[in-house]
Amino acid sequence: DADVTQTPRNRITKTGKRIMLECSQTKGHDRMYWYRQDPGLGLRLIYYSFDVKDINKGEISDGYSVSRQAQAKFSLSLESAIPNQTALYFCATSESFELNEQFFGPGTRLTVL
Amino acid sequence: KQEVTQIPAALSVPEGENLVLNCSFTDSAIYNLQWFRQDPGKGLTSLLLIQSSQREQTSGRLNASLDKSSGRSTLYIAASQPGDSATYLCAVGDYGGATNKLIFGTGTLLAVQP
Repeated sequence: DADVTQTPRNRITKTGKRIMLECSQTKGHDRMYWYRQDPGLGLRLIYYSFDVKDINKGEISDGYSVSRQAQAKFSLSLESAIPNQTALYFCATSESFELNEQFFGPGTRLTVL
Repeated sequence: KQEVTQIPAALSVPEGENLVLNCSFTDSAIYNLQWFRQDPGKGLTSLLLIQSSQREQTSGRLNASLDKSSGRSTLYIAASQPGDSATYLCAVGDYGGATNKLIFGTGTLLAVQP
């Protein structure tokens, strides 16, 4: 089984809808991250969490919110989806500041019509 | 603001050739550098991680080097195979706010021709 899983893998939604992307990990890592990938722009950090009581904004957090339900679960919500949120979304984990290699999930392809 | 650039954006080589992918970054104050591979429809696979105190890391046919003073890293792939075809991403760990934030380049699309 994959160490970092994301659901759904693909999602098509309409403008204005609220949607949630979920991430689960079995690596036992404290740190979790949400990134989005757009063609020509690389991956950009949306939100990150260092433990269940810690949530921080990344460089492009507007229009997004997150919830860290447990050490193993980190969800990303789009409160009111818009077409320019169409992208590939990745969840990642790392163990600590010292053990800082990041491990990525398979991604969720989101299309907002 | 840290910026990461990867050149070339795309590369096509015949099978068996040795090749080098380049990554440059503008701020030398990094805590690590990570090379990833991305296959279509799949996530990112971590290939090599170089801590800021290290000069290189090796895994099988892959060797990554880091020169912080010049803001450069290279990924060397020996004896390339068609299965190496993928997009290779470089990411630097940025110290800003001790966030462990990775700043990504836009990648090099590698095609290894049989």
